[in-house]
Amino acid sequence: AQSVTQLDSQVPVFEEAPVELRCNYSSSVSVYLFWYVQYPNQGLQLLLKYLSGSTLVKGINGFEAEFNKSQTSFHLRKPSVHISDTAEYFCAVSEGSGAQKLVFGQGTRLTINP
Amino acid sequence: DAGVTQSPTHLIKTRGQQVTLRCSPKSGHDTVSWYQQALGQGPQFIFQYYEEEERQRGNFPDRFSGHQFPNYSSELNVNALLLGDSALYLCASSADPTRTYEQYFGPGTRLTVT
Repeated sequence: AQSVTQLDSQVPVFEEAPVELRCNYSSSVSVYLFWYVQYPNQGLQLLLKYLSGSTLVKGINGFEAEFNKSQTSFHLRKPSVHISDTAEYFCAVSEGSGAQKLVFGQGTRLTINP
Repeated sequence: DAGVTQSPTHLIKTRGQQVTLRCSPKSGHDTVSWYQQALGQGPQFIFQYYEEEERQRGNFPDRFSGHQFPNYSSELNVNALLLGDSALYLCASSADPTRTYEQYFGPGTRLTVT
């Protein structure tokens, strides 16, 4: 069975500072990996996804993530955050091709301070 | 093009009652998945509907049931509501039951059980 661990429940950073949100996963098969963002009182929006190929994935809003198979990690990064990036971020995994469900981590609340 | 829509937005029920939540998938999508997101948690997979049948189910009791209509819209029914059923219920649609990488989420229905 797959599982996802988001190592930080809350991450406070100052505006224009870089940020990294950490995600580790556990799976016995090849996986697809995702990062979703959830703004207050809203649903989930896909930031980026890794299916195959280049391990560095670029997404929307200036975010990127790197897939590291040996460390089973998929950390999300942004070089300079903005107040509007304040939200909950979820890492998710699916069992690769043929999978029918996403397994989510507990979420990381990113708070941007002016 | 309308995305995934859900109704109602908010709902308050009493313990023991029954509730029905509704979801209309994104245009061109024929598969609907339901997730439960308790406060402060990541979403958890409830079940998936495709071709009007339940295709896969997560670890949820039989009190949770669903239905998919010929127009691909779906309902989630919860019987004998418990306080612990209070959560945001998210619907996601895709063009194929195995295309987790192309799931689009709706804004959710927030259910409060008192």
